Amino acid sequence: AQKITQTQPGMFVQEKEAVTLDCTYDTSDQSYGLFWYKQPSSGEMIFLIYQGSYDEQNATEGRYSLNFQKARKSANLVISASQLGDSAMYFCAMRESFQAGNNRKLIWGLGTSLAVNP
Amino acid sequence: DSGVTQTPKHLITATGQRVTLRCSPRSGDLSVYWYQQSLDQGLQFLIQYYNGEERAKGNILERFSAQQFPDLHSELNLSSLELGDSALYFCASSGLAAPTDTQYFGPGTRLTVL
Repeated sequence: AQKITQTQPGMFVQEKEAVTLDCTYDTSDQSYGLFWYKQPSSGEMIFLIYQGSYDEQNATEGRYSLNFQKARKSANLVISASQLGDSAMYFCAMRESFQAGNNRKLIWGLGTSLAVNP
Repeated sequence: DSGVTQTPKHLITATGQRVTLRCSPRSGDLSVYWYQQSLDQGLQFLIQYYNGEERAKGNILERFSAQQFPDLHSELNLSSLELGDSALYFCASSGLAAPTDTQYFGPGTRLTVL
């Protein structure tokens, strides 16, 4: 069964430091996509970064990068130079088999709450 | 701003009632998804529509139904509401530009059933 595991319910980081949020996944598919979303206390769900299973390079988007280790089935999010505004819940999600029809549902982890300390 | 709009932002109602949540996708996106986020179950996929047709169903209760209209907006209907239906309901939209096909989320509708 497809599953996303985020083992860190809560994390603390000092402002301007880097932090890694863990995500492991389970799938039997060869073709899948991994996403990270941010949910601030206001509630909206904000897309951060995407990694495809066939992508050879780790994805980067500004201060966000994804440490993709396919053999270990992990897709950790790295936030560099943390800012106070990074305090939020962070969700890892997976979409399987984007080539297999139009079922594009996302499977979600339970999230990691990140607090950035000044 | 993701470009996905949802109304209303908040909804408070009583058990047994029926409500309709509305979603307008990003311009050009044909796919609409509905998700439920609750404290005990996290984020759960409910249903997906593509250009007016149902494409996938998740753990959607029989008391819930949805549709996507010709102008591509979507509505999620929740009936015979129970206390446990209280949750944040998200709509998301995407194009079908494989392989990324990122889903962009609306601000959500927070439903409280009293």
